[in-house]
Amino acid sequence: NAGVMQNPRHLVRRRGQEARLRCSPMKGHSHVYWYRQLPEEGLKFMVYLQKENIIDESGMPKERFSAEFPKEGPSILRIQQVVRGDSAAYFCASSRTGLNTGELFFGEGSRLTVL
Amino acid sequence: GENVEQHPSTLSVQEGDSAVIKCTYSDSASNYFPWYKQELGKGPQLIIDIRSNVGEKKDQRIAVTLNKTAKHFSLHITETQPEDSAVYFCAASSSNYQLIWGAGTKLIIKP
Repeated sequence: NAGVMQNPRHLVRRRGQEARLRCSPMKGHSHVYWYRQLPEEGLKFMVYLQKENIIDESGMPKERFSAEFPKEGPSILRIQQVVRGDSAAYFCASSRTGLNTGELFFGEGSRLTVL
Repeated sequence: GENVEQHPSTLSVQEGDSAVIKCTYSDSASNYFPWYKQELGKGPQLIIDIRSNVGEKKDQRIAVTLNKTAKHFSLHITETQPEDSAVYFCAASSSNYQLIWGAGTKLIIKP
């Protein structure tokens, strides 16, 4: 049973370009979470999705950032018109049930560098 | 708002000694407290968790204690080994489904 798969592992973009980060949750998991981590810092919650629904996007900037988890296919975190401050590691996690009852499984992360 | 404070931010211990990391939380409704270990360049991985109906849980060299009255919980690692070097995060469940994360502790095991 494969773990949470994220790709790309590393992504380099120039300012103003778009970044798309993909996350395939563990098999049987319908809850997906995206976190952002700056070097030497903790995890910052961005968005929580279930299949086809955004449950909580309170941690995600209102502009330039969007996320989806379609019925078929991976969850996508999309950052439009990237700026240098978007450079970070973006982690996806999945769980079988809601967080209060189950373990969160993380992917290896996607490291975005904005030049 | 809800928050979790974690101390220390960096901890250096001699190989074979014990390490203790402490967290305090603010939401009295929190009932689930996991600890995650993040190795360099990797995603966090659950190492142990505890629910509010127990005060202590142990798994080989790792133990977690919970004091609900004081709203704090701690991670204890005994007989530390070089592979224990990593960043450790505590978290507490919030009144909705979210986890509120501590800022992390960088644990360094000196040979």
